[in-house]
Amino acid sequence: AQTVTQSQPEMSVQEAETVTLSCTYDTSENNYYLFWYKQPPSRQMILVIRQEAYKQQNATENRFSVNFQKAAKSFSLKISDSQLGDTAMYFCAFLNYGQNFVFGPGTRLSVLP
Amino acid sequence: DGGITQSPKYLFRKEGQNVTLSCEQNLNHDAMYWYRQDPGQGLRLIYYSQIVNDFQKGDIAEGYSVSREKKESFPLTVTSAQKNPTAFYLCASSRIRDSLMGELFFGEGSRLTVL
Repeated sequence: AQTVTQSQPEMSVQEAETVTLSCTYDTSENNYYLFWYKQPPSRQMILVIRQEAYKQQNATENRFSVNFQKAAKSFSLKISDSQLGDTAMYFCAFLNYGQNFVFGPGTRLSVLP
Repeated sequence: DGGITQSPKYLFRKEGQNVTLSCEQNLNHDAMYWYRQDPGQGLRLIYYSQIVNDFQKGDIAEGYSVSREKKESFPLTVTSAQKNPTAFYLCASSRIRDSLMGELFFGEGSRLTVL
């Protein structure tokens, strides 16, 4: 069974600085998808960024980018120019064809003014 | 606006009572899901449904029941058999479960507290 690990339960960063959230996963599959979801204090979970395992190029969405290391089964999220609105729980998730999403335990990020 | 609506947002229940959480979506999505969120454990899948009148157990289905009589609706009943029901419950939907592009869209959640 696939598992997703987020080793940092809590992190903090100063506004305008850069922070990296870690995620590792375990799978024997070759083709799959990885996601980062954000859950702000209002609680509605939203998709931040998505990466297809067969693509070598790291996904980027504005200030959010990933470092996808397939051999190491690592999928970290980098947030540049952190903003107060980035304060949230961040969940790493894995999806394989025909299976359901597997979520990590989450990292609580606080952006400090 | 398209989206997923969960109600109620907060719910209190006495031990031994069944409660039903509502989930409605107007995104025309085929698949719907119920997750339970506990601190430090991420999201765990309770039940999911790919089509009307069909649903499957997830990882922690014991003590829960669902129905899918309409494409838009996927209510979750927390029964008295659920030993530790106090939690935050999230409903989600996606276009096609078996698509690798099946991004999940979430509701705002329902917090259930057993007194």
